[in-house]
Amino acid sequence: GENVEQHPSTLSVQEGDSAVIKCTYSDSASNYFPWYKQELGKRPQLIIDIRSNVGEKKDQRIAVTLNKTAKHFSLHITETQPEDSAVYFCAASIRDTGNQFYFGTGTSLTVIP
Amino acid sequence: GAVVSQHPSWVICKSGTSVKIECRSLDFQATTMFWYRQFPKQSLMLMATSNEGSKATYEQGVEKDKFLINHASLTLSTLTVTSAHPEDSSFYICSANLPPGRPGANVLTFGAGSRLTVL
Repeated sequence: GENVEQHPSTLSVQEGDSAVIKCTYSDSASNYFPWYKQELGKRPQLIIDIRSNVGEKKDQRIAVTLNKTAKHFSLHITETQPEDSAVYFCAASIRDTGNQFYFGTGTSLTVIP
Repeated sequence: GAVVSQHPSWVICKSGTSVKIECRSLDFQATTMFWYRQFPKQSLMLMATSNEGSKATYEQGVEKDKFLINHASLTLSTLTVTSAHPEDSSFYICSANLPPGRPGANVLTFGAGSRLTVL
């Protein structure tokens, strides 16, 4: 099956700085890459996603880039705020087939005020 | 938006007993649901894919007889942890894809999770 690796496992940044989280995947058939944010004790929530036919997608302070050739994708958060502190998970899936989502190991982001 | 409801949110049981966790899609039909297990400060590990009207597909290393999955209707999947032991204590989360044609189709929506503690 798909193997998704995520780095770093923990990340601390000063408020206002940028944060970057990177993921790699192994299955070249994967074509859908969502990012989830999970606050302590809560369910994961989708924050942004990207399909394999797109190289970059941006939504306000959050952006995701995808390099399909190298099989890696990254989450970029700019102008970080304390409320961005959470655990972030990347995932890979084969969209439109009802196929499984495989998650990265997670990154615990702490934004220091 | 689409809602996936999971019950119970917290359950404590004695070793050797069985526990059932329900996952419901409240405003959409889900032919497929997914069950994940999450250890503290760790990732979401896919356990199995629950298919309405047929047998669940289990990931490698997940015991089928230990984690019984039933998907009897288009809005309900259940996970039963049989003969639970302390090592089964974990956070179990179900999820489902919105069906094609709906806004956000194929987005994975999670339940709130069920925390199982086996004494």
